[in-house]
Amino acid sequence: DGGITQSPKYLFRKEGQNVTLSCEQNLNHDAMYWYRQDPGQGLRLIYYSQIVNDFQKGDIAEGYSVSREKKESFPLTVTSAQKNPTAFYLCASSIGDRTYEQYFGPGTRLTVT
Amino acid sequence: GDSVTQMEGPVTLSEEAFLTINCTYTATGYPSLFWYVQYPGEGLQLLLKATKADDKGSNKGFEATYRKETTSFHLEKGSVQVSDSAVYFCALETGGSYIPTFGRGTSLIVHP
Repeated sequence: DGGITQSPKYLFRKEGQNVTLSCEQNLNHDAMYWYRQDPGQGLRLIYYSQIVNDFQKGDIAEGYSVSREKKESFPLTVTSAQKNPTAFYLCASSIGDRTYEQYFGPGTRLTVT
Repeated sequence: GDSVTQMEGPVTLSEEAFLTINCTYTATGYPSLFWYVQYPGEGLQLLLKATKADDKGSNKGFEATYRKETTSFHLEKGSVQVSDSAVYFCALETGGSYIPTFGRGTSLIVHP
């Protein structure tokens, strides 16, 4: 079955450490996205990529970095510069056409103490 | 810019009650409209969509009609179940940058 996988489901880190969240898709989608979700809030876009080797900042990119070296993969690094990294992180992909929906992964819950 | 406004939650209903979750939007161009559902601890999944005015999207007993004249896409279900308890997100996409705009989500709690 095609879909998006995120790993791990739960991640714990100490403050000051960088951490990388994995996102892989086998849907052959060109576009991929990272969102952050905090309790009671909607989705906030961190980064997105419309094609391999290219990506753009979203609304809250500070303290995060990404790479898109392969079509299937779009890892997100949460750096020590991110002031409040504890959150639920969602990866998504889409064909890249306004009539088509986004497909979401199951999410990674990151806790930094 | 584009925006989506959803009714504030939580919406609390008894099983078999009628559900309406309001969604209105502002957008340039001709957006596609979507409803996504998020169950606790999971990612979002598409519930239904409509890509042009007067289209009705439907799935699992849920329906929503794309109303261009009132810029609305209200979600309805005739008889909710406990298993429908989740957060529902309204979203639009106008193309161009292919970045969807999401509402803040509406939590639905259904009691037996």
